[in-house]
Amino acid sequence: DAGVTQSPTHLIKTRGQQVTLRCSPKSGHDTVSWYQQALGQGPQFIFQYYEEEERQRGNFPDRFSGHQFPNYSSELNVNALLLGDSALYLCASRDGGMLGYGYTFGSGTRLTVV
Amino acid sequence: AQSVTQLDSHVSVSEGTPVLLRCNYSSSYSPSLFWYVQHPNKGLQLLLKYTSAATLVKGINGFEAEFKKSETSFHLTKPSAHMSDAAEYFCVVRMQGDYKLSFGAGTTVTVRA
Repeated sequence: DAGVTQSPTHLIKTRGQQVTLRCSPKSGHDTVSWYQQALGQGPQFIFQYYEEEERQRGNFPDRFSGHQFPNYSSELNVNALLLGDSALYLCASRDGGMLGYGYTFGSGTRLTVV
Repeated sequence: AQSVTQLDSHVSVSEGTPVLLRCNYSSSYSPSLFWYVQHPNKGLQLLLKYTSAATLVKGINGFEAEFKKSETSFHLTKPSAHMSDAAEYFCVVRMQGDYKLSFGAGTTVTVRA
């Protein structure tokens, strides 16, 4: 059973550019969340998607946007990249009806902004 | 407001000795609590979770944690450390009514041979 799949694994972008990261949730999971993990820190919640809608958003600017598709996969888009956006971006999925259960995380996309 | 605090940024133990990672949370209600582990250049792996059932929770790889509501703590322990336990450990809380996971700052565990 495939877990959470993220692509690409590594990415280098130039300041001011735009980037799209992709996530395929674990089979049977319909809820996808995105997290940003800066070097040496714990992950920070960006937003969560459920039924193709943004259900909750963390403290991130509007440059960060997302989308969820009918097959539950998701994209994270970041516009006007800043050097400070360099981080590991993690996608997590879970069964929408199991609030008490842990999320399954992907291995992440390492974004470097130069 | 900080909802989860990991009391040690770094813990060093000898192989075969016990490991204790401390975590305190702030919540008016019983939250869902988790411990995740992250090995270098890897994603996060769930070690165990507390969801208002038994207060002593057993996880994978010999880890366990005890939920103490009176102390608002959820400390992680393992009786005997193995070299493969060297990693970053995160205490995580999900507040009632909230969808997001809030992570502590992490504890780096090193294991000496």
